[in-house]
Amino acid sequence: GQNIDQPTEMTATEGAIVQINCTYQTSGFNGLFWYQQHAGEAPTFLSYNVLDGLEEKGRFSSFLSRSKGYSYLLLKELQMKDSASYLCAVRRVDSNYQLIWGAGTKLIIKP
Amino acid sequence: EAQVTQNPRYLITVTGKKLTVTCSQNMNHEYMSWYRQDPGLGLRQIYYSMNVEVTDKGDVPEGYKVSRKEKRNFPLILESPSPNQTSLYFCASSAGTGGTDTQYFGPGTRLTVL
Repeated sequence: GQNIDQPTEMTATEGAIVQINCTYQTSGFNGLFWYQQHAGEAPTFLSYNVLDGLEEKGRFSSFLSRSKGYSYLLLKELQMKDSASYLCAVRRVDSNYQLIWGAGTKLIIKP
Repeated sequence: EAQVTQNPRYLITVTGKKLTVTCSQNMNHEYMSWYRQDPGLGLRQIYYSMNVEVTDKGDVPEGYKVSRKEKRNFPLILESPSPNQTSLYFCASSAGTGGTDTQYFGPGTRLTVL
């Protein structure tokens, strides 16, 4: 079957570093996305990985290991505004390259 | 400003009363999609469209219809809404479905069916 797993909720402290993991099992793979979604708002794009390795973009980095079906999103120097849900999505090769989404990880930042 | 718009943003209706949620994008995107988001389940795709007059079922199409007569618009139609269609709905668009084509989301429509 096709499945994406993420932790439901995580808590971290302002100024710290947090790593949000995502594991996936899909029929074919054509890229992995991370999106940020603040409560009551639309998801917004954070990062895209299609090859193994680390992609860094400011305070956010995303890592992919295709052989392990694993990705993580690393957030550094956490700010209160980083309190949000983080969604992992994988693009499938079948079904016209549609995305399958994880349920999201709610990240709570404490002062 | 490049954006995806949805209307209405909030809607409370009753079982069986047909409704339409509109979606429009001004980025000349070929690809558009409808999702519903329910607690603990993540985004689930209802229908998608690869281009004008080309639509296809997603993972949860039952009870929904769509049309794509123009590139910019992709309305979602609920012919006979039921309480299990109470959800948060998002429309999204992207230039395509390959490479780094990222999806841009509308602000969402919160639908309650009584």
